[in-house]
Amino acid sequence: ELKVEQNPLFLSMQEGKNYTIYCNYSTTSDRLYWYRQDPGKSLESLFVLLSNGAVKQEGRLMASLDTKARLSTLHITAAVHDLSATYFCAVDNGGSQGNLIFGKGTKLSVKP
Amino acid sequence: EPEVTQTPSHQVTQMGQEVILRCVPISNHLYFYWYRQILGQKVEFLVSFYNNEISEKSEIFDDQFSVERPDGSNFTLKIRSTKLEDSAMYFCASSEAGIRETQYFGPGTRLLVL
Repeated sequence: ELKVEQNPLFLSMQEGKNYTIYCNYSTTSDRLYWYRQDPGKSLESLFVLLSNGAVKQEGRLMASLDTKARLSTLHITAAVHDLSATYFCAVDNGGSQGNLIFGKGTKLSVKP
Repeated sequence: EPEVTQTPSHQVTQMGQEVILRCVPISNHLYFYWYRQILGQKVEFLVSFYNNEISEKSEIFDDQFSVERPDGSNFTLKIRSTKLEDSAMYFCASSEAGIRETQYFGPGTRLLVL
């Protein structure tokens, strides 16, 4: 059974600081997704990582995937308050339809 | 920009009642999914649907659940006899080509079973 673990689960940051969220998963997969969720809202797709060594960047967020280590990271550079949200990683469970198994999420709070 | 829509946004029902949650996926998408999120917890996969049939389902998706694509645009999730533990946010998602594609999520239906 595929398990996806994120850490930390809660993260309080000062504006301007850097930090990394980690996502480990238990079985071989080269398909990993990052989503953002604001309170009471739906999930917004941030990144799709589809190969070992994949790196994608959007603004202050950068995601990478190491399939050999079964690890993805979401790096936050010079955090701003608008990044406050819950961030989920999700791994394709290897089926034929791309069903996603989500981590528990990292609740990020960026304080001025 | 095309988006997945869901109705209703909120539903309150009595235990044992049937509920139908409705979704309109993005028009050119072929793969459809239902997920749920119990308050404060992670998002859980329920079922995937392609070519008018269920592709995969999780352990959560028992005989009380069913999905249907009654016409060319709607995708529904039915819970036949709701239980208290069915209270959750239910998200519909769709993707253009399934595997290796972004899944786009709808705004969700918050279901409360009393």
